[in-house]
Amino acid sequence: DTGVSQNPRHKITKRGQNVTFRCDPISEHNRLYWYRQTLGQGPEFLTYFQNEAQLEKSRLLSDRFSAERPKGSFSTLEIQRTEQGDSAMYLCASSLEAGRQTQYFGPGTRLLVL
Amino acid sequence: DAKTTQPPSMDCAEGRAANLPCNHSTISGNEYVYWYRQIHSQGPQYIIHGLKNNETNEMASLIITEDRKSSTLILPHATLRDTAVYYCIVRVGGAAGNKLTFGGGTRVLVKP
Repeated sequence: DTGVSQNPRHKITKRGQNVTFRCDPISEHNRLYWYRQTLGQGPEFLTYFQNEAQLEKSRLLSDRFSAERPKGSFSTLEIQRTEQGDSAMYLCASSLEAGRQTQYFGPGTRLLVL
Repeated sequence: DAKTTQPPSMDCAEGRAANLPCNHSTISGNEYVYWYRQIHSQGPQYIIHGLKNNETNEMASLIITEDRKSSTLILPHATLRDTAVYYCIVRVGGAAGNKLTFGGGTRVLVKP
């Protein structure tokens, strides 16, 4: 399967714990995006990378959130000191840099904070 | 990116064409119309996109009005597996385009 993959698919954690999610984009895709989706809502943009550079961050990305893409390939999204309000689906997407910029999404990581 | 307006829900009979409308009256000349769908508990799936000409692929057809202020996604022969939330998104193309701004979408229920 050459699509976007995300791990884990599900995560249950207790409030106050740290969690980390991983996203592997489609190979050769320079851009990688993170979105968050709460129940009943459309996905909301969090941040995106072009290669290893993080070029834009949403105001939704509080200080407890950090994303990295160290070698311009896979990316990680870490949430520190999780809160119940962080419960959501975290989606990753990737695209080429220019020209055809269609974003292709992964299956998401569903986080439940107890 | 321009805002879009879609009906919150619609039903469709299996085997019939489903026509999903989208209004984007403030669209700019360099903004594309994209359609994604999201089947329950899955990530959004790209369907089709266009600038001003009508487009067709193996999944659907996209009809954009001449003034570009609205568009219609057509699923030619809806199946039960087409039940999903369909999102119409307008975004800038080229190197400047980045994030997708999702609205509420249209919840489509295909009935047998």
